[in-house]
Amino acid sequence: NAGVTQTPKFRVLKTGQSMTLLCAQDMNHEYMYWYRQDPGMGLRLIHYSVGEGTTAKGEVPDGYNVSRLKKQNFLLGLESAAPSQTSVYFCASGVATDTQYFGPGTRLTVL
Amino acid sequence: AQSVTQLGSHVSVSEGALVLLRCNYSSSVPPYLFWYVQYPNQGLQLLLKYTSAATLVKGINGFEAEFKKSETSFHLTKPSAHMSDAAEYFCAVSGDSGTYKYIFGTGTRLKVLA
Repeated sequence: NAGVTQTPKFRVLKTGQSMTLLCAQDMNHEYMYWYRQDPGMGLRLIHYSVGEGTTAKGEVPDGYNVSRLKKQNFLLGLESAAPSQTSVYFCASGVATDTQYFGPGTRLTVL
Repeated sequence: AQSVTQLGSHVSVSEGALVLLRCNYSSSVPPYLFWYVQYPNQGLQLLLKYTSAATLVKGINGFEAEFKKSETSFHLTKPSAHMSDAAEYFCAVSGDSGTYKYIFGTGTRLKVLA
């Protein structure tokens, strides 16, 4: 099992550009999450999904969109990147309120 | 609403000394509590979890944590620090009715001195 994988691992964008981050899991988990990690702020939830075709806003959703067209995939989109979105992004999957399994992260820099 | 507070953003211990990382939580419902570890340039890995069974929870790499409802605490301990324990540690709470989300603390970076 690969667990949770994220694509790409690194990306540099210019302000205003768009991109999509892909998260894939092979554990048949219903729940998937996108977090961003910034120094001194821990992990903050951007969006999450409780099943295929469903999404919901987390703590810091502005400037991001998500889609869960297939159970195993959860996409995070930035329509018009801003320097404030420079961060490390983590995807996770899990079962309701139990353990979450994290991907290795995507380091995004917006110039 | 739930919240988590980790006291001390940086903790230094000598190799072989006791490790104590503090976590206090707030929850209006019986919580699920977790400790995760993050090594440099990696994702988070579960160390241990409390899900309303035994109050003393043992995890990987010799770590353990005790759930104390009266103190709303879930502190992480290890009797003897090893150089390989140097990492960032995150406490998280979950279980709020109707949600499936974690609330993370801001993390504690552990440094182990030779």
